[in-house]
Amino acid sequence: AAGVIQSPRHLIKEKRETATLKCYPIPRHDTVYWYQQGPGQDPQFLISFYEKMQSDKGSIPDRFSAQQFSDYHSELNMSSLELGDSALYFCASSLGLAGGRNEQFFGPGTRLTVL
Amino acid sequence: GNSVTQMEGPVTLSEEAFLTINCTYTATGYPSLFWYVQYPGEGLQLLLKATKADDKGSNKGFEATYRKETTSFHLEKGSVQVSDSAVYFCALSDSLNTGNQFYFGTGTSLTVIP
Repeated sequence: AAGVIQSPRHLIKEKRETATLKCYPIPRHDTVYWYQQGPGQDPQFLISFYEKMQSDKGSIPDRFSAQQFSDYHSELNMSSLELGDSALYFCASSLGLAGGRNEQFFGPGTRLTVL
Repeated sequence: GNSVTQMEGPVTLSEEAFLTINCTYTATGYPSLFWYVQYPGEGLQLLLKATKADDKGSNKGFEATYRKETTSFHLEKGSVQVSDSAVYFCALSDSLNTGNQFYFGTGTSLTVIP
């Protein structure tokens, strides 16, 4: 079965550079979520999109932005990167927003390292 | 607000030992509860879930019961294997009040030794 695809899997950037992470949800899933997991920490919710509109916002820095496109894939744009942005970034997808009963399927993550 | 508190690790067990990882939660609404497992270098995989009080989620020998009276969702397995070594995350989703975002516990690292 198709899973959530994230690219790239690994990314190394310098401070103050920009990065773009991509997420391709499971086919027919219309909702995408982004999470940030720092070293040894639990995943923290950043932002989510439903039907190409932002549906919820968590602890996403102002330096970051995201959007969901017409084919439901999503991109997380990160500017003015800081050392503290080094983390594993997960994307998850689900079908609809109808309650927490909708399971979120997680991608393998993109490991971002800022030097 | 919503939060999840998990038993701190790391936890080291011998093969075939009994496993319990405690998880308690606070929520403003009627959350669904989940256990996710993360193997080294991999993403989060759903292990089991429960969507209402007294539901029991189970998968691969793991079980957890949604206890509203104690606001708990403890993970148990009767006989662990070396292949169960991973980090386990308890999570809740409370869509009525906070969209469908997940709130995760801090994770519990489990190592099973032969």
